[in-house]
Amino acid sequence: GESVGLHLPTLSVQEGDNSIINCAYSNSASDYFIWYKQESGKGPQFIIDIRSNMDKRQGQRVTVLLNKTVKHLSLQIAATQPGDSAVYFCAENYRPDGQNFVFGPGTRLSVLP
Amino acid sequence: ETGVTQTPRHLVMGMTNKKSLKCEQHLGHNAMYWYKQSAKKPLELMFVYNFKEQTENNSVPSRFSPECPNSSHLFLHLHTLQPEDSALYLCASSQVTGGNTGELFFGEGSRLTVL
Repeated sequence: GESVGLHLPTLSVQEGDNSIINCAYSNSASDYFIWYKQESGKGPQFIIDIRSNMDKRQGQRVTVLLNKTVKHLSLQIAATQPGDSAVYFCAENYRPDGQNFVFGPGTRLSVLP
Repeated sequence: ETGVTQTPRHLVMGMTNKKSLKCEQHLGHNAMYWYKQSAKKPLELMFVYNFKEQTENNSVPSRFSPECPNSSHLFLHLHTLQPEDSALYLCASSQVTGGNTGELFFGEGSRLTVL
């Protein structure tokens, strides 16, 4: 029968552990990537971004890694906290249309006490 | 005021109703967007406006009609919708410079239910 909704991949981690969320993007010409966090009942919130001339960028407790060879993006969250529980989306800025962001299906992160 | 404000937060309408969603951005950005987030699909781009001019219509049915009177306000007019149009409608804004956009700033969304 038809699926009633997206089956989001779920990552469960213990509080204090590190989390790694992965994303495969589709277009080798995309040159700008963003990770968003979406909590229940809220809009997506910017976490960190990276341009294609870099392969790593660090923020506060978060690191984004970009592997252009295999079109893969990852988000690492250090010392995961209960407030990190949310759905995480990657978005690629699809070239040549510089304003078309294509979003992945998302990963649900659950932080266990 | 938060960066991007959407009203109403929740809307229930019948298939013959006409309603509108409103978005206002207080960030001084020059581009605004409508995205649809449904249970069945990832975030989908619907419309893009640059400096009040529509630059993208992502094959959206005509029962959705956007309006951008100025670079701070964006509306989505809804008419004779279908139950499958029930979704979270997200407004976003960004600053576009030289054809390149910065990050999207999203509002909290308008949860639409079509009966």
